[in-house]
Amino acid sequence: KAGVTQTPRYLIKTRGQQVTLSCSPISGHRSVSWYQQTPGQGLQFLFEYFSETQRNKGNFPGRFSGRQFSNSRSEMNVSTLELGDSALYLCASSPVSGRARQETQYFGPGTRLLVL
Amino acid sequence: GESVGLHLPTLSVQEGDNSIINCAYSNSASDYFIWYKQESGKGPQFIIDIRSNMDKRQGQRVTVLLNKTVKHLSLQIAATQPGDSAVYFCAENKPNDYKLSFGAGTTVTVRA
Repeated sequence: KAGVTQTPRYLIKTRGQQVTLSCSPISGHRSVSWYQQTPGQGLQFLFEYFSETQRNKGNFPGRFSGRQFSNSRSEMNVSTLELGDSALYLCASSPVSGRARQETQYFGPGTRLLVL
Repeated sequence: GESVGLHLPTLSVQEGDNSIINCAYSNSASDYFIWYKQESGKGPQFIIDIRSNMDKRQGQRVTVLLNKTVKHLSLQIAATQPGDSAVYFCAENKPNDYKLSFGAGTTVTVRA
């Protein structure tokens, strides 16, 4: 079974631009969660989508948004990029939603975003 | 604030020795804990988990210990191998909370 895939793997943008990252979950998984990983803050939860609906959201500004398609693939968008948005963005897929997904989520390799 | 943190940011271990990675948590309401391993260029990988009604759980070459009295979690890796070199995170979850809170991570380097 193929794992979680994320595209692109690396991205360089400038301040003020916007970016869209893509995540393809494991086949059959309907939950996709997004995380931001930085050296200073560690791993932080952004949001979770399940069956095309945002189920949960972390403490990030509205510049961070996402969506999920009917095939469970998910995209994350960051508008008006700031230098502090430089990070590794990870997505994780799970067959279930909510708290139960913690035990069954699989992470992708991440997209490394550099904002200049 | 309430957070999960690791005692040491780095750990150097001789190949074949046992490794112990520590984690302190501050939220006594947390009832579920996970250890993750993250290798360079990869996403976190689930290693082992433990619920608060247990104080020890064993997996293949790994053991997680939970001491709720002092809010301490540890991961023991037996006979550490070069492939164990990675960053290790602990994470906690509270009842009715949809998200995990992650610690900062400990970088383990295995010396040949």
